[in-house]
Amino acid sequence: DGGITQSPKYLFRKEGQNVTLSCEQNLNHDAMYWYRQDPGQGLRLIYYSQIVNDFQKGDIAEGYSVSREKKESFPLTVTSAQKNPTAFYLCASSLTGGPYEQYFGPGTRLTVT
Amino acid sequence: AQSVSQHNHHVILSEAASLELGCNYSYGGTVNLFWYVQYPGQHLQLLLKYFSGDPLVKGIKGFEAEFIKSKFSFNLRKPSVQWSDTAEYFCAVKRGSNYKLTFGKGTLLTVNP
Repeated sequence: DGGITQSPKYLFRKEGQNVTLSCEQNLNHDAMYWYRQDPGQGLRLIYYSQIVNDFQKGDIAEGYSVSREKKESFPLTVTSAQKNPTAFYLCASSLTGGPYEQYFGPGTRLTVT
Repeated sequence: AQSVSQHNHHVILSEAASLELGCNYSYGGTVNLFWYVQYPGQHLQLLLKYFSGDPLVKGIKGFEAEFIKSKFSFNLRKPSVQWSDTAEYFCAVKRGSNYKLTFGKGTLLTVNP
């Protein structure tokens, strides 16, 4: 089955700890994205990557970091510098070179206490 | 900065009622427009999209949307809703060749049987 997998589905961490969220896709898409979803806020872009070894900050990148060492993988690290890390995190991917839609993973709900 | 406005935060309808969800965007250049839906406990998935051509686009499950360039609008419609349409609906805009999607804050639709 082609698609995007995110693990784990639920993640709990203590304040002050960094945590890495996994995102893997087997759609052969060049572009990958990380969004944060909060109730009543829609989806806000954290980081995106159009090609391996390259990525750009989105609208709310502060307190987050990413890497793109492989085409299939785009992990997101939520650092202790992120002031409000508790949220639902969505990973997406798309083709490039045209007006292609993005495909979304099932999401990871992160709770930091 | 580009913004996407969805006029209604929560819409409550009875089965068989007609639906129209508003979406307006602020960018005046070439845009690609999307409606995504998030059913309870499921992935965000594409309902329909507009890239070019006929401004009336049809999507899955009987949904359609009309692009009105002069009004910067892309409203979603369905003539007769079902209980299974209960979900959160997001309008999204992609500007020109930019890969970024800007999402509205979402409209929660509740359909009562």
